[in-house]
Amino acid sequence: DIQMAQSPSSLSASVGDRVTITCRASQSISTFLNWYQQKPGKAPKLLIYAESTLQSGVPSRFSGSGSGTEFTLTISSLQPEDFATYYCQQSYTTPYTFGQGTKLEI
Amino acid sequence: QVQLQESGPGLVKPSETLSLTCTVSDYSIDRGYYWGWIRQPPGKGLEWIGSIYYSGSTYYNPSLSSRITISVDTSKNHFSLKLNSVTAADTAVYYCARDNGSGSYGGWFDPWGHGTLVTVSS
Repeated sequence: DIQMAQSPSSLSASVGDRVTITCRASQSISTFLNWYQQKPGKAPKLLIYAESTLQSGVPSRFSGSGSGTEFTLTISSLQPEDFATYYCQQSYTTPYTFGQGTKLEI
Repeated sequence: QVQLQESGPGLVKPSETLSLTCTVSDYSIDRGYYWGWIRQPPGKGLEWIGSIYYSGSTYYNPSLSSRITISVDTSKNHFSLKLNSVTAADTAVYYCARDNGSGSYGGWFDPWGHGTLVTVSS
């Protein structure tokens, strides 16, 4: 299985900050990388797919980049509703695997 | 817009079979797409269980493949998960979601159901 490792595991930030979360794959996954946001008690929400394509309705302050084994999710200016846990997921091959999550706290 | 809703027992005894159904609304399963199951143990991360195409073609997580069956019923516009021989380690919130991939690759999940907590306990 392809292992996905996110860093940091948790992050404290303030409204208006620029935040970057990193996701590393144990082998090259080209650009088959997706990002999700999950709030407590809710289902994950797709933010970005195929490394950098913003899902419809997702604010443009979210962006994704990377290829191969290293990827980043950037939030350009944190808003109060962005405090959540973020997961990366590789879709290069099954079994699809997720990172362990990054909890973004105020 | 597409909506998914999980249903099934919230409590299953050890060694028994967990059975869940995901009903899809406002979209006919037989129009295409794969449909998947993902689970999340309390306080932990996400694990892909498997995905199914409307034709019945399936892809399973090898870590669970000996215990799972995913099936589809296009007449009822739903798909189902059976996980047998459950233990406490199978306690999790189980989500269904549309898998936008091609089966063995390319899959991202959107939209998701709300999820249903299944507890394995005697």
